[in-house]
Amino acid sequence: DTAVSQTPKYLVTQMGNDKSIKCEQNLGHDTMYWYKQDSKKFLKIMFSYNNKELIINETVPNRFSPKSPDKAHLNLHINSLELGDSAVYFCASSHRLQGEQETQYFGPGTRLLVL
Amino acid sequence: GNSVTQMEGPVTLSEEAFLTINCTYTATGYPSLFWYVQYPGEGLQLLLKATKADDKGSNKGFEATYRKETTSFHLEKGSVQVSDSAVYFCALYLSNFGNEKLTFGTGTRLTIIP
Repeated sequence: DTAVSQTPKYLVTQMGNDKSIKCEQNLGHDTMYWYKQDSKKFLKIMFSYNNKELIINETVPNRFSPKSPDKAHLNLHINSLELGDSAVYFCASSHRLQGEQETQYFGPGTRLLVL
Repeated sequence: GNSVTQMEGPVTLSEEAFLTINCTYTATGYPSLFWYVQYPGEGLQLLLKATKADDKGSNKGFEATYRKETTSFHLEKGSVQVSDSAVYFCALYLSNFGNEKLTFGTGTRLTIIP
């Protein structure tokens, strides 16, 4: 059973389109994240949600809108795609305990290419 | 702010060589430290972690010791294999008024040749 899954695995689209990436975790975790990995492998957090509430929102363009329908899902919708959005997007999840740092489990990534 | 600095890659070694990948950090507080590994075409996997000073994390022959005095968490392996070829990320985790997040280094690509 896949712990953190993402769909689609690959996404090729034209500039200006709107697209969504879905993420699901079956680990019973209460916190989920989106990361962006650029072509140089640099990995940076975009958002995190705890129990469907947004807790981290880094300086990401408002064309990116995360949505968490329940604790097991965190989807990422991107409006008006730009060339610079081309990257690998990773979803992750963890169990957040106050005062205890927890390990994050990553999905396999979604490779987005904007033409 | 918090940051992680890793040695620049790529690193190429022969099979059975000794590996060291340097990692130092800057943090306001007492972070937990991690090494993640990313195999080609896959997501990140936790390799090892240490949550306090002098802790040693170990897994699959890899080791790293949390050195508070030098703010370092260097990754070592005594004898690397071709299957260790991957990108390695050092990361720190710090809870700051409920704003917990992982901060990653830039990654070090490791290639092992037979």
